[in-house]
Amino acid sequence: EPEVTQTPSHQVTQMGQEVILRCVPISNHLYFYWYRQILGQKVEFLVSFYNNEISEKSEIFDDQFSVERPDGSNFTLKIRSTKLEDSAMYFCATEEPNTGELFFGEGSRLTVL
Amino acid sequence: GEDVEQSLFLSVREGDSSVINCTYTDSSSTYLYWYKQEPGAGLQLLTYIFSNMDMKQDQRLTVLLNKKDKHLSLRIADTQTGDSAIYFCAEKPGNTPLVFGKGTRLSVIA
Repeated sequence: EPEVTQTPSHQVTQMGQEVILRCVPISNHLYFYWYRQILGQKVEFLVSFYNNEISEKSEIFDDQFSVERPDGSNFTLKIRSTKLEDSAMYFCATEEPNTGELFFGEGSRLTVL
Repeated sequence: GEDVEQSLFLSVREGDSSVINCTYTDSSSTYLYWYKQEPGAGLQLLTYIFSNMDMKQDQRLTVLLNKKDKHLSLRIADTQTGDSAIYFCAEKPGNTPLVFGKGTRLSVIA
């Protein structure tokens, strides 16, 4: 069964460092998403991406965040200068074009020290 | 804005049925979802229901939808210890992103 894969599964970084989280979408999916889940809290929408541009973003997705799909395969989330409060599990999701069903990756856990 | 509410905890005995409830706000939601998250793992889609359906059954899982009250429930028959996890209800209003509830932590007591 096709799946969304994310790397790294866990990253520990120092505050102020840049982090890039990677996602390989399912091949025929066109809409991509990043969500995050701070420990013990709800899963929150960050950004959606379609046709190589952001289609929607939440208030959380400020200037420190960016997304791109530079090589047509990896869909990346970059956090330019990490803060302690960026520590969370980050989930990539891609949308099946016919049903709208979202398929989630297993997540990348980011720990900012 | 959209909001999805769930009770935070549920504890059941092994072999009993579990019922996890959820309320949502957006009547335009075309799909309503249940996701399962095991400790340290990602989000696994369990089942979903179209908004024009009242019920959907899939093996041990039964989803009931009351559109009038905007109430969704997930029933797990013959609950097993492996069902212990956090269960998230989610709605997808139109073409906007999925909105999740805070999740219900299900504990199954052997």
